[in-house]
Amino acid sequence: DAGITQSPRHKVTETGTPVTLRCHQTENHRYMYWYRQDPGHGLRLIHYSYGVKDTDKGEVSDGYSVSRSKTEDFLLTLESATSSQTSVYFCAISTGTGGAGNQPQHFGDGTRLSIL
Amino acid sequence: SQKIEQNSEALNIQEGKTATLTCNYTNYSPAYLQWYRQDPGRGPVFLLLIRENEKEKRKERLKVTFDTTLKQSLFHITASQPADSATYLCALAPISGYSTLTFGKGTMLLVSP
Repeated sequence: DAGITQSPRHKVTETGTPVTLRCHQTENHRYMYWYRQDPGHGLRLIHYSYGVKDTDKGEVSDGYSVSRSKTEDFLLTLESATSSQTSVYFCAISTGTGGAGNQPQHFGDGTRLSIL
Repeated sequence: SQKIEQNSEALNIQEGKTATLTCNYTNYSPAYLQWYRQDPGRGPVFLLLIRENEKEKRKERLKVTFDTTLKQSLFHITASQPADSATYLCALAPISGYSTLTFGKGTMLLVSP
């Protein structure tokens, strides 16, 4: 068990409101990731972090921002939520100290976000 | 453009048979390829990793092959069980040292008793 907790697990909100999702890990791994998963698109990377205050964009970063002020927490923010951001959001960590390719990623159980 | 393709149609097999799932890619030169299992309502779970210079990797009833000439990986589950029913995702890391994975859309496997 990689000790990953996502909160909230479910959220319903309205278009235009800000939303923040939290990912917490208990093992101080360097790499953390945010993905979204949608039918027909699979799992797509939004943003990732390779250390405190070190983040980079993924494939579908528009409309999202992230912050990592502590090793254990990685926050995903939707500044002004839109219906197209309705999705299931997964956080993951990599246990490697270098690139992710040669190490497994460990996922949380997701946040189901609905934007009406 | 870069593509990772997995069969979108579910694979239905009988218990005890070998399930074979396919992952094809184009315009990639992956150094590593990984396979994950995902159950409904849960996050993906890592199964196996294979390097570009490895042809085959095994773990218990699981076997992965990696053919960089065909640009294809095959994932086999031998002596399949109903508990193996899930969606299976392949993921590629472009080159050694890169920090991210790109996932395929997954193939659902249904094993009937």
